[in-house]
Amino acid sequence: GENVEQHPSTLSVQEGDSAVIKCTYSDSASNYFPWYKQELGKGPQLIIDIRSNVGEKKDQRIAVTLNKTAKHFSLHITETQPEDSAVYFCAASIKVGRRALTFGSGTRLQVQP
Amino acid sequence: NAGVTQTPKFRVLKTGQSMTLLCAQDMNHEYMYWYRQDPGMGLRLIHYSVGEGTTAKGEVPDGYNVSRLKKQNFLLGLESAAPSQTSVYFCASSTGGGFSYEQYFGPGTRLTVT
Repeated sequence: GENVEQHPSTLSVQEGDSAVIKCTYSDSASNYFPWYKQELGKGPQLIIDIRSNVGEKKDQRIAVTLNKTAKHFSLHITETQPEDSAVYFCAASIKVGRRALTFGSGTRLQVQP
Repeated sequence: NAGVTQTPKFRVLKTGQSMTLLCAQDMNHEYMYWYRQDPGMGLRLIHYSVGEGTTAKGEVPDGYNVSRLKKQNFLLGLESAAPSQTSVYFCASSTGGGFSYEQYFGPGTRLTVT
């Protein structure tokens, strides 16, 4: 089955700096790669996603890049703010069948004011 | 529109006791999922359903059962709780159709088994 590895497990940045979180996946059939943000005591919430036919996607301060050949994808957050502090999860999914997500182990991002 | 709701929010069980976690969604989604979240391990799929009356096993199904008698509800049962089932449980739903992949998550149920 699919295996998703995520790094780093913790990341501390100064407000205004950029943050980058990286993930690799194992199954070449995976074609959907979402990123979720989880705040304390809440369920994960989708912040951005990318499909395998796209190399990069941007939404205001966040962007995701995908390298299908190398089987890795990354989340980029620019101009970080204290409210960006949370746990971020990458995930991968195959289009057919159950479409369940295989998650990475998470990155705890702390933005220091 | 409440989205995905879960009950209860917290529960403490003794080893061997049973309980049912309820997930409800009001978005008319076909697909529903149960995940468990443990420290440092992300979320892992327990069981899922691709429509009313259907269920299937995920990656970590042992010790759990599920039912989807109504499209909007997905129940997760623990027949004989064990300390290894101490976790936070999340339910999610998605449309399951076309090119839509997004999963919507509930707020979670924190379960402690002593």
